[in-house]
Amino acid sequence: GAVVSQHPSWVICKSGTSVKIECRSLDFQATTMFWYRQFPKQSLMLMATSNEGSKATYEQGVEKDKFLINHASLTLSTLTVTSAHPEDSSFYICSAERGTGNYGYTFGSGTRLTVV
Amino acid sequence: DAKTTQPTSMDCAEGRAANLPCNHSTISGNEYVYWYRQIHSQGPQYIIHGLKNNETNEMASLIITEDRKSSTLILPHATLRDTAVYYCIVPNFGNEKLTFGTGTRLTIIP
Repeated sequence: GAVVSQHPSWVICKSGTSVKIECRSLDFQATTMFWYRQFPKQSLMLMATSNEGSKATYEQGVEKDKFLINHASLTLSTLTVTSAHPEDSSFYICSAERGTGNYGYTFGSGTRLTVV
Repeated sequence: DAKTTQPTSMDCAEGRAANLPCNHSTISGNEYVYWYRQIHSQGPQYIIHGLKNNETNEMASLIITEDRKSSTLILPHATLRDTAVYYCIVPNFGNEKLTFGTGTRLTIIP
């Protein structure tokens, strides 16, 4: 079945530094990937839609200059949290669509970011 | 996305069938109903989806009412590993984004 690998699974960084999270589709090509953020005891909130070879589309209220998304190939999208602060500490999750259009998205296992 | 309403939480005894309801009264004729679940500290997992016919796979069954305004996800023999938050999602037709509501926190009781 479709597998999405997300790396790292957890990361601790100092305030002011940047962190890159990778999302790879292992056995299929993903023209579209999505990035979500989840705070404790809350649901997933969509941050942005990542399209291969074009600029990402950000949801309202998400700072595009802070959360840099790059989807340079059909199997890899990256999310970089720039100048991270403690309030950016969260669980970040990516998902990918196989292109069938039936919303059978596959999700990564998530990255827990802690900014100290 | 079409608005969905789910109970906040449910308990189910291990080995029994878990029936999770979802109301989606504003669903349009060409919009599918999707179910995902999220086990603690993991990414969501696809369970099943359907349009108007009942569906069954190795994980669950999906029963959609004739008027399509509600549906029920059935886990036939719940195990402790089925403890998770279950999300019922109805994406807007033509909109590729999945929007998650608050879901139902299902706890399987030994």
